[in-house]
Amino acid sequence: GAVVSQHPSRVICKSGTSVKIECRSLDFQATTMFWYRQFPKKSLMLMATSNEGSKATYEQGVEKDKFLINHASLTLSTLTVTSAHPEDSSFYICSARSGGNQPQHFGDGTRLSIL
Amino acid sequence: GENVEQHPSTLSVQEGDSAVIKCTYSDSASNYFPWYKQELGKGPQLIIDIRSNVGEKKDQRIAVTLNKTAKHFSLHITETQPEDSAVYFCAASMNSNYQLIWGAGTKLIIKP
Repeated sequence: GAVVSQHPSRVICKSGTSVKIECRSLDFQATTMFWYRQFPKKSLMLMATSNEGSKATYEQGVEKDKFLINHASLTLSTLTVTSAHPEDSSFYICSARSGGNQPQHFGDGTRLSIL
Repeated sequence: GENVEQHPSTLSVQEGDSAVIKCTYSDSASNYFPWYKQELGKGPQLIIDIRSNVGEKKDQRIAVTLNKTAKHFSLHITETQPEDSAVYFCAASMNSNYQLIWGAGTKLIIKP
């Protein structure tokens, strides 16, 4: 149980394009989803928290117009990296939980490479 | 705010031996402490968690201990196997704020 699917697993694209990453909870309803960024050999850095049907809450220093988050249903959240540049290259990971007292379950991440 | 420190950053143990990873936290209000295992190129996988109303929890070869007074918690892996090689992260959170505060991670290497 508690499976989170993230797609795509890897994206390589040109600078200036926008990239959408999907995060789905397959066997539970996710009231809250989280988006993280992870640099090589580093810990997870929380970018934003999204509750179904509400606007995402972004962490300090994360540009909301750059990283668009949509959590339109209880099983799907999307992260769109707009006008991506090489410095946006990173490993992006989503997680989901079914309630406030439940653990976060993670997707397998998306390796984004901007040329 | 909460701060979580994790040690060691790298741990190398002989296959079959035990491994212990320790974390300390700063905010006494934290009451939930999960441990995640991350394999190369994958997302973190929850392996065990503990809440502040218990001092120890065990699941087969994995156990977690919590000392609320000292504000530290530890992951114990017994009879280590090659597949235990990964990066392990501890985290802490509070009831009223479910954001996880993460440790820096420990790379566990199991030597055959």
